[in-house]
Parts: sequence; C-alpha cells; structure tokens
Amino acid sequence: AAGVIQSPRHLIKEKRETATLKCYPIPRHDTVYWYQQGPGQDPQFLISFYEKMQSDKGSIPDRFSAQQFSDYHSELNMSSLELGDSALYFCASSLAVDSGSSYNEQFFGPGTRLTVL
Amino acid sequence: AQKITQTQPGMFVQEKEAVTLDCTYDTSDQSYGLFWYKQPSSGEMIFLIYQGSYDEQNATEGRYSLNFQKARKSANLVISASQLGDSAMYFCAMREALTGTASKLTFGTGTRLQVTL
Repeated sequence: AAGVIQSPRHLIKEKRETATLKCYPIPRHDTVYWYQQGPGQDPQFLISFYEKMQSDKGSIPDRFSAQQFSDYHSELNMSSLELGDSALYFCASSLAVDSGSSYNEQFFGPGTRLTVL
Repeated sequence: AQKITQTQPGMFVQEKEAVTLDCTYDTSDQSYGLFWYKQPSSGEMIFLIYQGSYDEQNATEGRYSLNFQKARKSANLVISASQLGDSAMYFCAMREALTGTASKLTFGTGTRLQVTL
C-alpha cells in the first residue's frame, strides 16, 4: 500500500539559509499535518491543511510557512534557519475526521531529518 | 497543563514477559481519540492502536491492547509476550474535537522500552 512520502530524507543547511520540505500524502487523503520533533522530544504540531486550506496552526515560527497544492502535496518552507530548527520533521496524512469513518488514523511519513550547522 | 502524561521515561522488560506503559490524559471534550505510536531508533512513527472515547470495549491489535479507564482518564498500553524488536520509544497521543476536520495529535513525552534477554 502507498504510504506518505517525504523528501528529502536528510537535509543539512547552514544558519540563515532556507529549506523546503516536501510531503506527498497517501492517495485520496485530503488532510496533511506537519510535526516537528527535536532531539529527545515528543513531536509538536506545526500546521495542518484540509482541502488546500490551512485548518489549524500550532507552534510554528513566523519564519516558517507552508501550503498544500492542488494535487494535495504539501511543502514546508523554512527561512533564516537557526540551530534550534535542527529536528525531525514529520508529515502525516489522513482523511478528514468527519468523512464518515469512526476514526481517521494519521499516517506518518518517514520524516525529514534537518540539521542546521 | 499537560494534556498527555507519560510518567515512565524508561522501562525494562524481559523477553516474553508482558509490560504496561502508562498514559493519562486531560480533556474537557466528550469526543476524543487516544493513540499509541512506536518510534524505533530509525525514527519512523508506527501506529499501534487506537481507542475512541465512546468505545465501550478496550482496543486490541495482536500483542497490543489498550487498558482504557475513562473515569480515571487513563489509556495504558499493554504489550504481551515482549520481543527484542519491541525495544523503542512509545508515544501516547490524543486527538480532541473529533467532529472537526484536521484535528491534530498531542503527544506525551514518551516511554523508552528496552526488552532484555
């Protein structure tokens, strides 16, 4: 079965550079979530999209932006990178909660490991 | 206040024994879902089991079962017949507002399980 695809899997950047992380959800999934997991930390919700519209926002820095495109893939853009942005970035996808299913599991991608030097 | 609390930073269990990982949660919603994820050292987030707030029976998935005590707001994960491959970080997570779209997951701080011979 198709899973969530994230690219790149690993990324090394210098401070103050920009980075773009991509997420391709499971086919027919209309909802995408982004999470950030710092070293030794639990995943923290950043932002989510439903049908290409931002649906919820968490602790996402103003230096970060994201969008979901017409083919439902999503990109997380990160500018003016800081050392503290080094983390594992997960994308997850699901069907919308009110799609009629008793629950809608969020399927996680393998993550993009960002290292800022 | 912490929404998800996992009080065991680390646990050891002998191979073939059962182990319980604790999780308590805090919510004022009537409709919510509780999830357990496994994160091995490779980093991916693997869905294990789900319990809905309205589910009357405890969820089971193979060797995993969820001991759901709604009045106590606890959702402990029980792993039976532990295997060496069960060694990983385990996260409890909650999704509130199940009637809304794109409901994010809130994670606990995790429990690192080590299975020994």
